[in-house]
Amino acid sequence: EVQLVESGGDLVQPGGSLRLSCAASGFTFSDHYMDWVRQAPGKGLEWVGRSRNKANSYTTEYAASVKGRFTISRDDLRNSVYLQMNSLKTEDTAVYYCARADSSGYFEYWGQGTLVTVSS
Amino acid sequence: DIQMNQSPSTLSASVGDRVTITCRASQSISSWLAWHQQKPGKAPKLLIYKASSLESGVPSRFSGSGSGTEFTLTISSLQPDDFATYYCQQYKSYALTFGGGTRVEIK
Repeated sequence: EVQLVESGGDLVQPGGSLRLSCAASGFTFSDHYMDWVRQAPGKGLEWVGRSRNKANSYTTEYAASVKGRFTISRDDLRNSVYLQMNSLKTEDTAVYYCARADSSGYFEYWGQGTLVTVSS
Repeated sequence: DIQMNQSPSTLSASVGDRVTITCRASQSISSWLAWHQQKPGKAPKLLIYKASSLESGVPSRFSGSGSGTEFTLTISSLQPDDFATYYCQQYKSYALTFGGGTRVEIK
């Protein structure tokens, strides 16, 4: 059974940093693309970024709204993907979901999410 | 970025009704479209990919159709478990984008 478990969400001040983790199990992690998607309170879904798999050299893609501030990394030995968030803004407040993606691009499985609140 | 417009934003329906949700893309995305269901406080769940392919384990009352810029998600006979919010998602190009969502509520 595929499982994705996010952690690391917290309350952080504007301008601060936070690192989210997503632990995966139930599949061969290194074979898959891994994404982060967020959802602001009461709002819709917004794609944040992607880490491609080993076969595609672990290259990354980012939404314009986070490019230069957020970084996705992964550790295939630990079956984990990470989201390093710097220079946080109040508009980054959201539930952050980790998702396994098919290589064509759609999200196959989702984690339960972790809440990030950016506020002074 | 490709914009995805869903309609309606809210839909009131009864158990047993046939329900149709529309998603329009700002440019052609071929069949690179998925549909996800989300219940309050829960993670989204994949229903349909490549516009019309049913994800394993998803009830056959769900179906998807369309290509190019116009797509539909149909629930043939609405069940109590189907009251939720539905999102379309394009994966033709980056940035990956979602529609604004359609909330299906009890009439």
